[in-house]
Amino acid sequence: SQQGEEDPQALSIQEGENATMNCSYKTSINNLQWYRQNSGRGLVHLILIRSNEREKHSGRLRVTLDTSKKSSSLLITASRAADTASYFCATGNTGGFKTIFGAGTRLFVKA
Amino acid sequence: DTEVTQTPKHLVMGMTNKKSLKCEQHMGHRAMYWYKQKAKKPPELMFVYSYEKLSINESVPSRFSPECPNSSLLNLHLHALQPEDSALYLCASSQDERGGETQYFGPGTRLLVL
Repeated sequence: SQQGEEDPQALSIQEGENATMNCSYKTSINNLQWYRQNSGRGLVHLILIRSNEREKHSGRLRVTLDTSKKSSSLLITASRAADTASYFCATGNTGGFKTIFGAGTRLFVKA
Repeated sequence: DTEVTQTPKHLVMGMTNKKSLKCEQHMGHRAMYWYKQKAKKPPELMFVYSYEKLSINESVPSRFSPECPNSSLLNLHLHALQPEDSALYLCASSQDERGGETQYFGPGTRLLVL
């Protein structure tokens, strides 16, 4: 079963606005990753945050992790039409050998 | 080279056909994965190979048969599929198979079973 739950399921914003997506999970994790998937294509790794980190930045991406609440958020600042895609969180569980993907958020950025 | 390649890009097959999907990576990764993804759903893990040995089989029907001929190649042999098997099949690789390792995905094969 998929561990990560993401909200919102879908998000539509104007170009230039910020987009925030949230992910919750159930068990202890080693790290949490975010991936992007353009329509019908493979997933692209965006950023990884370890369980002992609280915040990480990469370009226009900001990821936070709250292990006490078992949740993470992905913020995309100054969104562009090219950011239109599905975004998945994925967790690596403590002692586990699988990466579990969340249900995903579909982001649509209007030009 | 950080690319995972998959062939073919698209495949249409009948329920009595036998076909194979191919995946290749040259990053020296020791773990390779097959995922199945339905529209608007997350990828579902099917198989994991670690050091060319089958490590995880997520109770996938036997009409899907994986093969890892060497550390760079991963095949998925298809036989007697059902229409509900139509999906995007994604291959991925990672340095090793520990949970949470960054995975590098291929572009996928879009399969239609008639």
